[in-house]
Amino acid sequence: AQSVTQPDIHITVSEGASLELRCNYSYGATPYLFWYVQSPGQGLQLLLKYFSGDTLVQGIKGFEAEFKRSQSSFNLRKPSVHWSDAAEYFCAVGAFTGGGNKLTFGTGTQLKVEL
Amino acid sequence: GAVVSQHPSRVICKSGTSVKIECRSLDFQATTMFWYRQFPKQSLMLMATSNEGSKATYEQGVEKDKFLINHASLTLSTLTVTSAHPEDSSFYICSARERPGTEAFFGQGTRLTVV
Repeated sequence: AQSVTQPDIHITVSEGASLELRCNYSYGATPYLFWYVQSPGQGLQLLLKYFSGDTLVQGIKGFEAEFKRSQSSFNLRKPSVHWSDAAEYFCAVGAFTGGGNKLTFGTGTQLKVEL
Repeated sequence: GAVVSQHPSRVICKSGTSVKIECRSLDFQATTMFWYRQFPKQSLMLMATSNEGSKATYEQGVEKDKFLINHASLTLSTLTVTSAHPEDSSFYICSARERPGTEAFFGQGTRLTVV
């Protein structure tokens, strides 16, 4: 069974500081990996995804993530955080093959940005 | 990216009544739509997968008679919470994809409060 672990429930960083949100996954085959951001009371916005190819993936809003198969990780990074980045971040693993699209989400990391 | 719209964004209903939530794909035809439930400060849990023109596939533990899903057209799926109770209060999010192998896009979610 597939699973996702986000070890950090809350993270607080200062505006302008760098950010890394951790994500570890368990999946039987080559995973499709995603990072989503959710603002309070809102749906999910896709930040970036990894399907194959280059293991360093660039996303929107200056985010990037690196797929490391040996560590079963897909950590999200941003070199300089903005106050507007404060939100909940979800890592997800899944596949779009066949008739299913079962995305398994991590429990999320709440990011707080101090001005 | 493609747009998925949910309506209403917030709804309050009395215990024992039913409430319908709509999920529409605005600029693409969605052969598959997914319904998730999110408890406060928790991750998203897949409730069911619906393919246009066929019965929804429910995840284990989800009551199909409680959560009625209809996907009658390629642009609309509905989730009806029947005989709602306060424990059904939650944030419900849908996602939709055009066809197998493609990305699913998320709606903005519906906050249901049962009083």
